[in-house]
Amino acid sequence: EVQLVESGGGLVQPGGSLRLSCSASGFTFSSYAMHWVRQAPGKGLEYVSAISSNGGSTYYADSVKGRFTISRDNSKNTLYLQMSSLRAEDTAVYYCVPSGRMDVWGKGTTVTVSS
Amino acid sequence: DIQMTQSPSSLSASVGDRVTITCRASQGIRNDLGWYQQKPGKAPKRLIYAASSLQSGVPSRFSGSGSGTEFTLTISSLQPEDFATYYCLQHNSYPVWTFGQGTKVEIK
Repeated sequence: EVQLVESGGGLVQPGGSLRLSCSASGFTFSSYAMHWVRQAPGKGLEYVSAISSNGGSTYYADSVKGRFTISRDNSKNTLYLQMSSLRAEDTAVYYCVPSGRMDVWGKGTTVTVSS
Repeated sequence: DIQMTQSPSSLSASVGDRVTITCRASQGIRNDLGWYQQKPGKAPKRLIYAASSLQSGVPSRFSGSGSGTEFTLTISSLQPEDFATYYCLQHNSYPVWTFGQGTKVEIK
C-alpha cells in the first residue's frame, strides 16, 4: 500500500525552528520528485517547496525562500523540511506529495507558530 | 508564475442538482490539471487527473473537461457526501504547482 506519514509538527514560538519529516512506503521513493504543500487554518492549499528525485534541485515558494530547506534521504525513504525563522503565518497543516503520484497524500502534520 | 482563478468561491445546492466549478489558468497548461475534494480535517482526495480522467474508485457522477486555459469540474447529481471544498491544481509549471482558491459546496 502506498503511504506517506508526516511528522515533526508542533507548537513553536515565532523565530523558532522545526524539522518536518515525511516517511514514504509502498512506492519507489527515489524515483519521484517530492513536494511540500501547506494549508493554513480555514484557508486554501499552498505550494511550499519541491525537490528532485536525487535531491540535486530544490525549489521554494517566495513566502518561505531563505527560511525553509527541503532535503531527502533516499536510503531512508524520507523527505524533510527544515523550517527556521518561523512566523505566525507559517501556522498550517503540512503535507508531502509525490510528483507524478498526486493522488497520494498523507494525513499531514500541524505546525503552530505562537507565543 | 501561472495563476489559477477558480469560481465560484462558494455555492449552495440541493441533493440531485448539477454543479459546475471552473478554473482558468493565466496561460496554457495543456491538460496538466487535477481536481481535488477536501472534507474538514482530512487531506485532499484527487477526483480527476489530466483534466478529464476519472481517478480509480471515484463515482462516475464526477467529470472533468477542458484543456489549455479553461477547465471544468461537473458533479452530475449532487449527493449528500459531496458537500465539501473542491480545488483545482495545475502542475504544468513543474516543479511549481498552483492551486485554485477553492470552492465550498454547501447544502441549500
